[in-house]
Amino acid sequence: ETGVTQTPRHLVMGMTNKKSLKCEQHLGHNAMYWYKQSAKKPLELMFVYNFKEQTENNSVPSRFSPECPNSSHLFLHLHTLQPEDSALYLCASSQRDRDNQPQHFGDGTRLSIL
Amino acid sequence: EDQVTQSPEALRLQEGESSSLNCSYTVSGLRGLFWYRQDPGKGPEFLFTLYSAGEEKEKERLKATLTKKESFLHITAPKPEDSATYLCAVQAGGYSTLTFGKGTMLLVSP
Repeated sequence: ETGVTQTPRHLVMGMTNKKSLKCEQHLGHNAMYWYKQSAKKPLELMFVYNFKEQTENNSVPSRFSPECPNSSHLFLHLHTLQPEDSALYLCASSQRDRDNQPQHFGDGTRLSIL
Repeated sequence: EDQVTQSPEALRLQEGESSSLNCSYTVSGLRGLFWYRQDPGKGPEFLFTLYSAGEEKEKERLKATLTKKESFLHITAPKPEDSATYLCAVQAGGYSTLTFGKGTMLLVSP
């Protein structure tokens, strides 16, 4: 496998369910990111992890809980979501210690909240 | 607050009809400007990084340029396979954080 892999690709869940999104990067990067992409809106940064440590949380509601067990894996745990949370959730990675390196994205998880 | 504005929102071209997409930005201390391409159902795919005014980069039919206030993505003689949404993002101040524009949806008809 190469690049950034996200699973599942599609997820439908009720507002009371608990589920997790998974991201794995095979690029040897040391920074990972979660973004939310909604129609007609720019990509919204949710969380940033550098060397497994969370360095940014852009005022994301607590119903979204990230986990980064190592530099290659990132999870987003979901619980008690709202209909407005339906969106494409994208994971990205980059090489943190090299200035201005681009972020590389996975193909996302399309999340639908019933 | 960093701001990125892309125009037009949507652009329809005939195959071979060259045009340009615009990305205007307002940031404090630009560290880099990034162009991405996003196909339906896919994540953004990295195209270019520009670091300073006057810089230009090319890849096949695409050429990106940068001034102190905006960047252009020039598409020369486009083909239907160039149809996609093109995203612009800036990195400024904070290390690694990107601010994205809403994108330009390009449709190239045969």
